[in-house]
Amino acid sequence: SAVISQKPSRDICQRGTSLTIQCQVDSQVTMMFWYRQQPGQSLTLIATANQGSEATYESGFVIDKFPISRPNLTFSTLTVSNMSPEDSSIYLCSVAIIDTEAFFGQGTRLTVV
Amino acid sequence: DQQVKQNSPSLSVQEGRISILNCDYTNSMFDYFLWYKKYPAEGPTFLISISSIKDKNEDGRFTVFLNKSAKHLSLHIVPSQPGDSAVYFCAAITSGTYKYIFGTGTRLKVLA
Repeated sequence: SAVISQKPSRDICQRGTSLTIQCQVDSQVTMMFWYRQQPGQSLTLIATANQGSEATYESGFVIDKFPISRPNLTFSTLTVSNMSPEDSSIYLCSVAIIDTEAFFGQGTRLTVV
Repeated sequence: DQQVKQNSPSLSVQEGRISILNCDYTNSMFDYFLWYKKYPAEGPTFLISISSIKDKNEDGRFTVFLNKSAKHLSLHIVPSQPGDSAVYFCAAITSGTYKYIFGTGTRLKVLA
């Protein structure tokens, strides 16, 4: 298993600003992901954070809006840029030790006003 | 296109009785299925999983059943306890892709 620490746990932000969410894992992991859960919706994969290279984004998500860093095998950040109220969601960091079980951080609840 | 569906947004069950949560999928390439439990202000935690080569997997009070022909799986909790009250997400994956597809969740309330 893996212990994932995510911060901040919640934030209220003004529209037009940016927020960077940090994810720290207690062990080195190859596969690291960022998900979004909008109110009443399922968890949706934003991107795979690749160590040492650009993240791989899913359809509907772009690097300019959600820049991701992955400087090493235990840490990643997700930035939500130029925020609007539609970005209000829970953002979750996830790792997969093997591809058949994913572990999640506690999430960051973002409210954009 | 919702590839994984949980059609019941909520479920209430009396303590001690059986809780049955259902999940349907459309993609026949999925070969591994998982259930996650989520409490408020926490991330999802892994509960139980099943490979497509099996039709049942049991872990204590939790049993997952898979019907591949119907593309349907269910999670049974027996007996249900108040601490089981949470949102349960079904997820599916094709091995090797690392791309988990989640359902929208079912909120289970176990009444004491």
